[in-house]
Amino acid sequence: GNSVTQMEGPVTLSEEAFLTINCTYTATGYPSLFWYVQYPGEGLQLLLKATKADDKGSNKGFEATYRKETTSFHLEKGSVQVSDSAVYFCALSRSGGFKTIFGAGTRLFVKA
Amino acid sequence: DAGVIQSPRHEVTEMGQEVTLRCKPISGHDYLFWYRQTMMRGLELLIYFNNNVPIDDSGMPEDRFSAKMPNASFSTLKIQPSEPRDSAVYFCASSNGTGGYEQYFGPGTRLTVT
Repeated sequence: GNSVTQMEGPVTLSEEAFLTINCTYTATGYPSLFWYVQYPGEGLQLLLKATKADDKGSNKGFEATYRKETTSFHLEKGSVQVSDSAVYFCALSRSGGFKTIFGAGTRLFVKA
Repeated sequence: DAGVIQSPRHEVTEMGQEVTLRCKPISGHDYLFWYRQTMMRGLELLIYFNNNVPIDDSGMPEDRFSAKMPNASFSTLKIQPSEPRDSAVYFCASSNGTGGYEQYFGPGTRLTVT
């Protein structure tokens, strides 16, 4: 079946450090891949997406590249800020099957 | 544009009481999802609707849970009777089925059953 595996947290970084949160997936066909972010006390919001292989999604300094050969969609940011502290969810959805599969979430703490 | 609206934001009730959570999706979105989030189990899909019709309710934990969508702009999730283990944050999300099926989440209802 379809699944998403992301690195366990929490991840603790100092401000301006480089961030990588690993995400791998299992799916047949060509799913769309997403990163959602959840700030404290809020719902999830879409951070970025990629809908086909080799696409790069980017937003707010975050990037992730859809790698079909390694079934991965790792999230990166070159210089994190305290305001990036949140929980990050990797997710996939398949065309024709509308259910979105979410990873367990990775909590990020950024220290000033 | 207004996002997904949920009410109430917080609900505290006693075990055995009926609880009704409400959701107004984004106008024009024809998919609606109900999720439950807990520390232990993470984010769980309970049920989703397309054009007001329930498509997949396999995530509904038991018969105490029911969901309806009487029209395109309103949905309810009801728990009757409620139990302490139902304590969680319940999210509603909607989508228009484009952009790879990205979803827009409401702010959630934090339910506490004592």
